[in-house]
Amino acid sequence: NAGVTQTPKFQVLKTGQSMTLQCAQDMNHEYMSWYRQDPGMGLRLIHYSVGAGITDQGEVPNGYNVSRSTTEDFPLRLLSAAPSQTSVYFCASSWQGPTPRFDEQYFGPGTRLTVT
Amino acid sequence: TQLLEQSPQFLSIQEGENLTVYCNSSSVFSSLQWYRQEPGEGPVLLVTVVTGGEVKKLKRLTFQFGDARKDSSLHITAAQPGDTGLYLCAGVDFGNEKLTFGTGTRLTIIP
Repeated sequence: NAGVTQTPKFQVLKTGQSMTLQCAQDMNHEYMSWYRQDPGMGLRLIHYSVGAGITDQGEVPNGYNVSRSTTEDFPLRLLSAAPSQTSVYFCASSWQGPTPRFDEQYFGPGTRLTVT
Repeated sequence: TQLLEQSPQFLSIQEGENLTVYCNSSSVFSSLQWYRQEPGEGPVLLVTVVTGGEVKKLKRLTFQFGDARKDSSLHITAAQPGDTGLYLCAGVDFGNEKLTFGTGTRLTIIP
């Protein structure tokens, strides 16, 4: 049971390049989400999904696309990288997602992205 | 966008001392979680508090949810170097499928 895995661990992009950050979980969780973490700002929600085929925007969705074709995978695509997207990106999953008795979110180890 | 402000932003204390960190908002949350994050890793859930006024203990850590469900505190007794890390609070909106994270408190315990 690997939990939540993310690849790559580190990435450097030039402005304007595109790339996909991979996220997979083997816990059969319905809810998956992507966050970015910047100094002094905690984690901010980019996109989330409550199940295969369903995605929605979070707090900071501009410049990112997601899809959820399977329960296991939730890739994050950067369409045209910008220096403002330099950040650490975390993928997370949980059984049902935020409810009044919120299920535990399991986080991946993160991808550190630098855009020059 | 609901905001969760944590204070202090940085805290460095000697091993054995007690400390309290705070998580405050002007918004009401249905529940609130505390996570700890170590360098190079993702956050790990410590506790979820659901009821206004609720107190939960996890060994030397005591978590309290405010009566009005707008704020929370984390108290650590006799801090140890293993408590070092970034502490994040996160609130769950009523009827909303999203978590809002606080700004974080970076705690360093000096041996």
